[in-house]
Amino acid sequence: GEDVEQSLFLSVREGDSSVINCTYTDSSSTYLYWYKQEPGAGLQLLTYIFSNMDMKQDQRLTVLLNKKDKHLSLRIADTQTGDSAIYFCAENWSGSARQLTFGSGTQLTVLP
Amino acid sequence: DGGITQSPKYLFRKEGQNVTLSCEQNLNHDAMYWYRQDPGQGLRLIYYSQIVNDFQKGDIAEGYSVSREKKESFPLTVTSAQKNPTAFYLCASSIGLAAPGPGYQETQYFGPGTRLLVL
Repeated sequence: GEDVEQSLFLSVREGDSSVINCTYTDSSSTYLYWYKQEPGAGLQLLTYIFSNMDMKQDQRLTVLLNKKDKHLSLRIADTQTGDSAIYFCAENWSGSARQLTFGSGTQLTVLP
Repeated sequence: DGGITQSPKYLFRKEGQNVTLSCEQNLNHDAMYWYRQDPGQGLRLIYYSQIVNDFQKGDIAEGYSVSREKKESFPLTVTSAQKNPTAFYLCASSIGLAAPGPGYQETQYFGPGTRLLVL
């Protein structure tokens, strides 16, 4: 079945860039998503990318998709303490009605 | 304000007890979902519903039950058969069958979650 993998932890200094990586196995994914979860809260959609795109930029966020290597990344420029959260990547498998497969999440800690 | 609400925020379950988690949305979405989140793990799908009076099992449906009598509501019951119910439960919804066609980007919007603890 589909599998999505992320590293569990990432620490960066305030003002630096953060890069959160994700690999997936399903080559028929149509959309890939990044969600943010703050402590004790639900998931908030940050951005998504269509599988025929290589890059998408939205203010401080840049998503890169390497479809050949099945690798997705989220770059956060000028990382702030408010960016500390868990970040989930998810893929929407075209073969299954509207189901998302989530990675295990990356805990981003921003150090002052 | 449109959105998804879940209640209660915290829920305590005694041994052998069934408990029900509420999920309501006013986004006019057809599809609704229940996920379970355990520490250090991603979200796992429990049940989903694409339309009123219809629902399908997800990856970890055992010990859970749902109903979908109204478009706005998708309650989840954690039964006594679920031996390890302690987790954070998240409800989500998406546009579902009203989407214009296959391949349409369909964001899932999440509620704030319910934390279930066992006494």
